[in-house]
Amino acid sequence: GQQLNQSPQSMFIQEGEDVSMNCTSSSIFNTWLWYKQDPGEGPVLLIALYKAGELTSNGRLTAQFGITRKDSFLNISASIPSDVGIYFCARRNAGGTSYGKLTFGQGTILTVHP
Amino acid sequence: NAGVMQNPRHLVRRRGQEARLRCSPMKGHSHVYWYRQLPEEGLKFMVYLQKENIIDESGMPKERFSAEFPKEGPSILRIQQVVRGDSAAYFCASSPDQLTGNGTDTQYFGPGTRLTVL
Repeated sequence: GQQLNQSPQSMFIQEGEDVSMNCTSSSIFNTWLWYKQDPGEGPVLLIALYKAGELTSNGRLTAQFGITRKDSFLNISASIPSDVGIYFCARRNAGGTSYGKLTFGQGTILTVHP
Repeated sequence: NAGVMQNPRHLVRRRGQEARLRCSPMKGHSHVYWYRQLPEEGLKFMVYLQKENIIDESGMPKERFSAEFPKEGPSILRIQQVVRGDSAAYFCASSPDQLTGNGTDTQYFGPGTRLTVL
């Protein structure tokens, strides 16, 4: 199947530091999504990217859709304790009856030390 | 607007029993998706439904699992004769539309149902 490789698996950082995580795919597709999951909750959409090369910001978060359409990164600037959680990249199938299906990366566990 | 609602939040079943998980999509959303998450893993797609129709069930095991989204009422994910390997968090997501690519087909997730099989 089409896999998403997300790295790093986990990060331990100090409050105030910047964070970067990325996702790669073996195939091309049209949408990259970044979600955050807090413990015991469902994923919450952070940023959606629809075009190759697109760079989008949401507060301290910035994400880019790679030019090759096979990768994306998410940056968090000036991290704060509430950034703790699991960050997932996801892609949506391009067409057919499985259009709505999301495929998720393995997740990046972020720990922020005050 | 209320978000996606799921109940129960926690469900404990013994091997061989049935589990029924409910999902009420956001108001105005007609598309429902079910995902399963094992500990320390990403979410895995199970099934995609519209009102009264199953659109894609490619991620759902052929046996013991079924899903429905009736004209009235919540979507139901049903697991018969549960086994320990069914223990996981089950998430429902809904979206108002699809095939637009402009954000209206964004999926919004519920808080999940954590199923524990003893």
